[in-house]
Amino acid sequence: NAGVTQTPKFQVLKTGQSMTLQCAQDMNHNSMYWYRQDPGMGLRLIYYSASEGTTDKGEVPNGYNVSRLNKREFSLRLESAAPSQTSVYFCASRDRASSNGYTFGSGTRLTVV
Amino acid sequence: GENVEQHPSTLSVQEGDSAVIKCTYSDSASNYFPWYKQELGKRPQLIIDIRSNVGEKKDQRIAVTLNKTAKHFSLHITETQPEDSAVYFCAASSKTSYDKVIFGPGTSLSVIP
Repeated sequence: NAGVTQTPKFQVLKTGQSMTLQCAQDMNHNSMYWYRQDPGMGLRLIYYSASEGTTDKGEVPNGYNVSRLNKREFSLRLESAAPSQTSVYFCASRDRASSNGYTFGSGTRLTVV
Repeated sequence: GENVEQHPSTLSVQEGDSAVIKCTYSDSASNYFPWYKQELGKRPQLIIDIRSNVGEKKDQRIAVTLNKTAKHFSLHITETQPEDSAVYFCAASSKTSYDKVIFGPGTSLSVIP
C-alpha cells in the first residue's frame, strides 16, 4: 500500500520551461489536492479536486493548471515556469466519506532558475 | 474566504515542559480543525483533529481545544520530548467549502534536552 506517490522528487527548470508533476493515490480517496510550501508561509492550496471530473481553484492558482485524469491521478502543470514558482510541492488525498485528514505525498522540490 | 492565523511562529521549551500553539480562523462556518506535524525534510502528518461539535480532544500527550465563539483552537503538548521538535500546522475547513482545507503558517517547536 503505497499511499500517495509523487514524481519527480526533485526538478530544476529554466525560466519559461514547462513541466507536469504527477500524483497518484491507491486509497480510493475521492478528494485530491496540490499545495505549495514556502518558508514561513505554511502550505498554500493551489488547486483541488473534490471528485473525479471536477477541479477548483485554491488560494494561489495563477500560473498552474491541473488535470484529474481518473480517481487515482491528479497532475499539476506549470506551462511557463517562473522563479517565483520555486517551492516544495505536496500532493494530498482525503476520504470525503470518512471526513478524515489528509494523506500527503513525499513532495517535489522544484527550483526554477 | 477562510484565513487561519497561528502563534507563535517559533517556540522553544525545555524537555518535560508543556507547549501550547494557538490558531484563529475567520470563517464561522468552519467545522473541522486538524493539526499536522512536519519533521525536517518530511511530509506533514496528521497528529490530531477536532470537529466543531466537541470542545476538547485528547490523545496521550497531545490535546486540542476549540472555542467556537472566539473562533480559536489550540494544541497542547505535555511532557515534551526531543522527538516532538518539528513544525506544527493548524488548519480549518467548513461545510460550505468542505474540500478546501486552509493551513496556518506553522510553528517551529524546539524541545531542548
